[in-house]
Amino acid sequence: RKEVEQDPGPFNVPEGATVAFNCTYSNSASQSFFWYRQDCRKEPKLLMSVYSSGNEDGRFTAQLNRASQYISLLIRDSKLSDSATYLCVVWGGGFQKLVFGTGTRLLVSP
Amino acid sequence: NAGVMQNPRHLVRRRGQEARLRCSPMKGHSHVYWYRQLPEEGLKFMVYLQKENIIDESGMPKERFSAEFPKEGPSILRIQQVVRGDSAAYFCASSKTGSPSTDTQYFGPGTRLTVL
Repeated sequence: RKEVEQDPGPFNVPEGATVAFNCTYSNSASQSFFWYRQDCRKEPKLLMSVYSSGNEDGRFTAQLNRASQYISLLIRDSKLSDSATYLCVVWGGGFQKLVFGTGTRLLVSP
Repeated sequence: NAGVMQNPRHLVRRRGQEARLRCSPMKGHSHVYWYRQLPEEGLKFMVYLQKENIIDESGMPKERFSAEFPKEGPSILRIQQVVRGDSAAYFCASSKTGSPSTDTQYFGPGTRLTVL
């Protein structure tokens, strides 16, 4: 089983749509959780950290369910510029390194 | 404040040659991480270094790969006797404290290695 699993997509949505991505992780001792964004042939960039209480940053909302070992990202009012690959990332649990999912690709069309 | 710098951005090597990838962390950062991204795959951790020390190299292949982060100068990822399977994007990241719970890893633009 992969340490971090994501649906690879692609998710094709029109501008203005709401889209949700999910991610599961296998190590119950994981401590920190993130969503990164990676544009084609570019480096990953931190989108937001994910907290147990849930957190929001503009159009983006992240949720963490530790009991189910499940992380989600909700994007409201999608923009063309949101087209990218979204990486679910986990850290901790005895491993001092970031563990990346393979990413979910989002394509927003006009 | 310059970000993480990597060079070269693109590197072409023939099988059997050596590849040297360089990474200069952000100013004030003493923790460096190397990741590899194979085509259509996620980033995989390779090695974590702090000035002059290797902290965790659990993701490094046992042979042909080595990394260093000297007191002065950039971190170097060295791949000896490259093979076609080494073709990938190699990303370097740096952080200030080494603790993602309180600190962010910032990524460089990557080096794309192509082995002919």
